[in-house]
Formats: sequence, C-alpha cells, structure tokens
Amino acid sequence: NAGVTQTPKFRVLKTGQSMTLLCAQDMNHEYMYWYRQDPGMGLRLIHYSVGEGTTAKGEVPDGYNVSRLKKQNFLLGLESAAPSQTSVYFCASSLGQGGEAFFGQGTRLTVV
Amino acid sequence: DQQVKQNSPSLSVQEGRISILNCDYTNSMFDYFLWYKKYPAEGPTFLISISSIKDKNEDGRFTVFLNKSAKHLSLHIVPSQPGDSAVYFCAAKDSGTYKYIFGTGTRLKVLA
Repeated sequence: NAGVTQTPKFRVLKTGQSMTLLCAQDMNHEYMYWYRQDPGMGLRLIHYSVGEGTTAKGEVPDGYNVSRLKKQNFLLGLESAAPSQTSVYFCASSLGQGGEAFFGQGTRLTVV
Repeated sequence: DQQVKQNSPSLSVQEGRISILNCDYTNSMFDYFLWYKKYPAEGPTFLISISSIKDKNEDGRFTVFLNKSAKHLSLHIVPSQPGDSAVYFCAAKDSGTYKYIFGTGTRLKVLA
C-alpha cells in the first residue's frame, strides 16, 4: 500500500520555466491538498480539491494552478517559476469529514 | 492572519520528563484538531487528534487537551524519549471547507 506518492522528489528550475508536480494516492480519498513548507512559516495550503473535477484556493494560491482530472491524482503546476517558489511541497489526502490527512514524502523545489 | 498559532518555535526537555506543546486557534468553525510529527526530509505523520466535542484524548504516551473556551489545545508527551525529537505541527480542520490549517511548528529536542 503506497499511500500518497509525490513525483519528482527533487527539482531545480530556472526562473521562468514551468513544471508540474504529480501527487497520486491509492486510498480512494475524496479530498486532496497541496502545501508548501518554508522556514518559520509552517505548512501553508496552496490549493485543495474536494473531489474529482473540483479545485479551490487555499491560503497562498498565487502563481500556482491545479487539476484533479482523476480521483487518485492531484497535479500542481507552476507556469512561470520564480525564486520565491523555492520551497518543499507536500501533497496530502483525506477521506474528509473526520479523520486525518495523509502526507507524501515531499518535493524539494529550487528556483534559480 | 494566522488562524492556528504555535508561539514556541522550540522546546528542550530532559529524557523521561513531560513535554508540553501548545497551540492556539482563532476560527470557531474548526471542528477537529490534529497533531503531526515531522522528521527532516520526510512528510508529516499523524500523531493524535481530538474532536471539538471532547476535551481530552489519550493514546499511549501522548495526550491532547482541548479548551474550547480559550481556543487552546496542548499535546503532552510522557515520558519524553530521544526519538520524540522532531518538529510538531498543530492542525485544525475547517468544518465547512474540510481544509486543514497548520501552525508554524515547534521543534522538540529531547535530551538524553
């Protein structure tokens, strides 16, 4: 049982480049989330999804787009990367209602 | 505006003693509170949770207390062990949107 899997684990981008981070979960969870972790800032919610085909903005959505075409996958896109987007990105999923969110192992992104 | 606050960035405790980590929140729509533990280069892992209708939940060495009137929760670890050294995040789930909002984390160091 893989749980939540993030691809890639590491990436270095040049300013202005684009990329997509992939999150996959095999727990049949309805809810999925993208967070970023920065020193002293904790985990901040970027976007989330309450079901296939739906997405919503979190606390820090600017500069990111997301898609949830399949229930098991949640994609995070950076159209034009900026150094301020250097961070560790975590994906999570949950059943919703009560219960905890399960996290992936993270993607360390550096924008130079 | 931070809805979930952890005012202590770090805490050092002697092995065998009690560790108390604190968390405050502002949003009355939170109905579920969680504590996560995070080691370097790993995703956060769920530790313990409490529903807003309860004031205490215990799981082995870990106990979470909730004071709704004060909008405060705390995590007690007794006895503390060196393996407990990690960053602890407090999180709250919004009952309306199912978003999980995290605090900034407290780095716990248990000294042998």
